This record gives sequence, structure tokens and C-alpha cells, in this order.
Amino acid sequence: QVQLQESGPGLVKPSETLSLTCTVSGAPINSGGYYWSWIRQHPGKGLEWIGYIYYSGSTYYNPSLMSRVSISADTSKNQFSLKLTSVTAADTAVYYCARGSRWEVLLAYWGQGTLVTVSS
Amino acid sequence: DIVMTQTPLSSPVTLGQPASISCRSSQSLVHSDGNTYLSWLQQRPGQPPRLLIYKISNRFSGVPDRFSGSGAETDFTLKISRVEAEDVGVYYCMQATQFPHFGQGTKLEIK
Repeated sequence: QVQLQESGPGLVKPSETLSLTCTVSGAPINSGGYYWSWIRQHPGKGLEWIGYIYYSGSTYYNPSLMSRVSISADTSKNQFSLKLTSVTAADTAVYYCARGSRWEVLLAYWGQGTLVTVSS
Repeated sequence: DIVMTQTPLSSPVTLGQPASISCRSSQSLVHSDGNTYLSWLQQRPGQPPRLLIYKISNRFSGVPDRFSGSGAETDFTLKISRVEAEDVGVYYCMQATQFPHFGQGTKLEIK
């Protein structure tokens, strides 16, 4: 059973960099065909897909966030990470990580999510 | 960008009765590979979203058969044949034909 757990600071100051990690258990993140995504949900609002890292290391980002986002993986720790630079209050959200074994089930399994608040 | 529009935004339903949610995309979701990457997700209160349906009509692992999806091109529907109390939550359609994008969500509540 694959499990995903987000972790990172719950409070980030405006203009700084938001950094989150998703720790995966039950499957190696570099095993064939898997997509590892980040999604966010603004308080009381809908869902926004941020981007993914493929098992091979290739990445794909939401065009609206592309200039500020990077997703990377650490296979030795079986983790993948999100960095979002120059944050503002508009980046306050619950951040989720998710896994899909193929494109049509891109967001098949989700972590519980972590709330990040951007405030001074 | 493909815009996903769900209707209704709120749906009060009686237990045991059917429910239906519509999702319309601003352009065809048929991918160049011939597949239509339209999914439905459920988010129960206080929980992360859960994948219900993928490629229009395929139920994901463990999803009860009272959930069904249908549609083509730009118009899609999620149906619940008999609503149960555990179905309360927000339902999202999502397209992955281009970069993944969600509808605004439909809140299912019990009358």
C-alpha cells in the first residue's frame, strides 16, 4: 500500500521560498511509469494542479506557476519536493502530493495535505 | 487553456435517490492519442480528494458501482444511482488532455 506524507513549514513569509517534501512509502519513486504530482487548494476553494515529476526525472509544470515552481526528487530518501519562490498571500493553501501509475490515473493516491500560510 | 464548468454548484439530494453532476469543457477533451482524459474526484469533508472515475467512465479501484460516468467530447456526467450518507462532499471533474485542470466543484449535500 503506497502512502504519501507531506511535510514542511506551516508558515512562510512573503517574498520567501515555500519548500515542501512528500515522503513516499510502499513504492520506490523511481520505479517505472509513475507520476508524482503536487496540487494545492486555496482555503474553501477548488483544486489547482501545480506540476509533476515523472519517475525518469522529467518535470511538467502548470504554465501559470512555471516561472516560480520547481519539483525535484531524492531517490535515496524516497522523497520528492516542491519549491515555490517569491510567495505572496495568494499562495496560502493546503498543498497535496499525489501519485499516479499512468497518465489516465494521474492523481490516483493522495497524501493528507499540509496547510501553508504566507504571512509576515 | 481548457475551462471546465460544472453544474450545479450545489445539489441537495434525498438519501436513496439518484444524483447527477454535469461537467462541460471549453473545447474537446479528445487527445491526439484517441483517449479522453476526463476524471471525477470526490472530496469528503476534511479529507483529501479521491479518484472515482477516469477516462470518462472507468471506475477506479474500490469505487462502488453506484457511481458511473458518461459523456464525450465536451459534455460529461457523473451519476450516483442511490445517494448514501457517505457520498456527501464536493465532486470535481478534471481534464488531463492538456495540463490538468479542475472544474470548480459541486457540493453534494443531503436534504
